Amino acid sequence: DAMVIQNPRYQVTQFGKPVTLSCSQTLNHNVMYWYQQKSSQAPKLLFHYYDKDFNNEADTPDNFQSRRPNTSFCFLDIRSPGLGDAAMYLCATEGGGDSDTQYFGPGTRLTVL
Amino acid sequence: QKEVEQNSGPLSVPEGAIASLNCTYSDRGSQSFFWYRQYSGKSPELIMFIYSNGDKEDGRFTAQLNKASQYVSLLIRDSQPSDSATYLCAVMDSSYKLIFGSGTRLLVRP
Repeated sequence: DAMVIQNPRYQVTQFGKPVTLSCSQTLNHNVMYWYQQKSSQAPKLLFHYYDKDFNNEADTPDNFQSRRPNTSFCFLDIRSPGLGDAAMYLCATEGGGDSDTQYFGPGTRLTVL
Repeated sequence: QKEVEQNSGPLSVPEGAIASLNCTYSDRGSQSFFWYRQYSGKSPELIMFIYSNGDKEDGRFTAQLNKASQYVSLLIRDSQPSDSATYLCAVMDSSYKLIFGSGTRLLVRP
């Protein structure tokens, strides 16, 4: 049973056309993360939520925003995608408290034309 | 800047051999250490985590941690072609942020 679900799995957009990626989880974890991963690179943390508390990494571009309307769902909005934003976008969850293990969804591969 | 370093590889081993993957980290206050496996085009999958110095075994996998030397390793016994993937080392640093290495690519030759 899928526990962290990302939609869509593949997204193609045009340069400058806004796009929204979604993540949902059935684990009832209170921490959710968005990472960007480019080919042969380490995942790069963009944002994380501890419950509804939003934390933005200092070097996350303003072009990227996130929403978490409830415990189960989290969205990544890219307002004006550039060619450099083409990447795999990974959502991860963590139980919080004593558990600091992160579990990843299948990812969304974003292509920018 | 806190870093996690891995040899990018590829590390090539014959089927049935032991594969040894290594990782060093810079933040001496790090407390939790993770190994993820990532197949090409897929997301990272948790293999093991380790918190204490020493060895932790799970099936064919053994994680080793040495906090004094700031390194963590993963041994894969009886390597199979299906183990061919990129292995990401991740370290929870003293600010509770998970820092990833760039990964080591493992190739298991049949």
